Amino acid sequence: EVQLLESGGDLVQPGGSLRLSCAASGFTYSNYAMSWVRQAPGKGLEWVSSIGLSGDNTGYGDSVKGRFTISRDNPKNTLYLQMNSLRAEDTALYYCARVGVPNSWDMWFDLWGQGTLVTVFS
Amino acid sequence: EVVLTQSPATLSLSPGERATLSCRASQSITNYLAWYQQKPGQPPRLLIYDASNRATGIPARFSGSGSGTDFTLTISSLEPEDFAVYYCQQRVFWPPLTFGGGTKVEVK
Repeated sequence: EVQLLESGGDLVQPGGSLRLSCAASGFTYSNYAMSWVRQAPGKGLEWVSSIGLSGDNTGYGDSVKGRFTISRDNPKNTLYLQMNSLRAEDTALYYCARVGVPNSWDMWFDLWGQGTLVTVFS
Repeated sequence: EVVLTQSPATLSLSPGERATLSCRASQSITNYLAWYQQKPGQPPRLLIYDASNRATGIPARFSGSGSGTDFTLTISSLEPEDFAVYYCQQRVFWPPLTFGGGTKVEVK
């Protein structure tokens, strides 16, 4: 079955760190650019970060630039998001998402995980 | 940053009616716009990419149109399962990729 499964969400205090993971299965993971998109409770979608096939090319939203780092391990079919210096406004459900066309940078998303919840509280 | 403005915020319709959702971009994005559907407790689902191409498995009652700055998602005849929130997303100028604020289609 083609799927993405996120993990690593937790309760954390402001200033803390978390690493999210997204395990891919059922498709050739190394052929797809990947992204993280988040959704604060009751709010809309916000793009967080994207990474190319080999991990050399990355992009970040302004709200997370310098604090979050996206990476991937192709042999393990896993996407990561290292989150440092967390703030209350980072509280959200974090989705990983697959780019719709293999071997491309066409940034629309045809496969999404169920999300993992990050709560930053003091 | 390309700002996407969706209207209306809420659309109250009955099953069988036609739904017309709008997404306006702050600058031309040619046809690089996607539409997603999200139901409560579920991740978004891709409906339309590059303004008018239906994604795999999406029913023909969903159609997308537009180019430049003005885009429309049309649901020709609402089915009970179509009541949800709909988001548009542009991919031509990034980072950042941007989403619209969403339109909720609710039962009248």
